[in-house]
Amino acid sequence: ETGVTQSPTHLIKTRGQQVTLRCSSQSGHNTVSWYQQALGQGPQFIFQYYREEENGRGNFPPRFSGLQFPNYSSELNVNALELDDSALYLCASSGEEWFNYGYTFGSGTRLTVV
Amino acid sequence: GQNIDQPTEMTATEGAIVQINCTYQTSGFNGLFWYQQHAGEAPTFLSYNVLDGLEEKGRFSSFLSRSKGYSYLLLKELQMKDSASYLCAVNVNNNAGNMLTFGGGTRLMVKP
Repeated sequence: ETGVTQSPTHLIKTRGQQVTLRCSSQSGHNTVSWYQQALGQGPQFIFQYYREEENGRGNFPPRFSGLQFPNYSSELNVNALELDDSALYLCASSGEEWFNYGYTFGSGTRLTVV
Repeated sequence: GQNIDQPTEMTATEGAIVQINCTYQTSGFNGLFWYQQHAGEAPTFLSYNVLDGLEEKGRFSSFLSRSKGYSYLLLKELQMKDSASYLCAVNVNNNAGNMLTFGGGTRLMVKP
C-alpha cells in the first residue's frame, strides 16, 4: 500500500487562472472525495466519485469540477480562480471496508491565489 | 442542513486525561469519525462509531449517543505528541453515497 498521494504540494496562481490538482488513491480504493480546508477550519466537502461517476457534491459552484480515472486516480479542476479559493485541498480515498479503516487522506495541495 | 459543533481550543497537561466533545444535527446519519491532524499534515483516522456506546482503542476512546446527537473523544495518559487538531466528522448517506461533514476541529495543546 502506498497511501494517498497528491500533487503538487504547493501552488501559486493568479486570480482568474485555472488549476488542476491530482490525487492518486490508495491501492484497492474505488471511491475518492475532495475537500477544501481553510486555515484553522475543518475540511469542507467538495464532491465524491465512485467508479468514475460523481455521486455527491457539496456547496461549491460549478467552476469546481472533477474526474476519476479507471485506475481510480482523480483530478480536481478549478476555473476562474478567486482569492477565497486559497486553501489546502485534500483528497481522500476509501474502499469497501471504509467503516473499519476510515477514509485515507493525502497530505494535500496548498493553493495560494494572488 | 448539517451542523457539527466542537470546542475551538483545549489545553491539558502531559499525563492527564482530556475529553473533546462534539454535537451534531444532521440528516442521513451513517456514523461518526474522529480524525487527528497535525499542522501541515493529512488527517489520520482514529475511530468510527455507528452504534451507541464506547469504543476503546489503547489510549483513545470514542463515545456516541445517537439520540442526543453527541460524541466525545477521550485521550488518556496524554503525551506531548498528542498536540494536534482533532476533527469530528459525521458520515452522511444521501442515497448517492457516503460523504463526510466535518466540524471546525479542536486544537489541543498538551503542556509539560
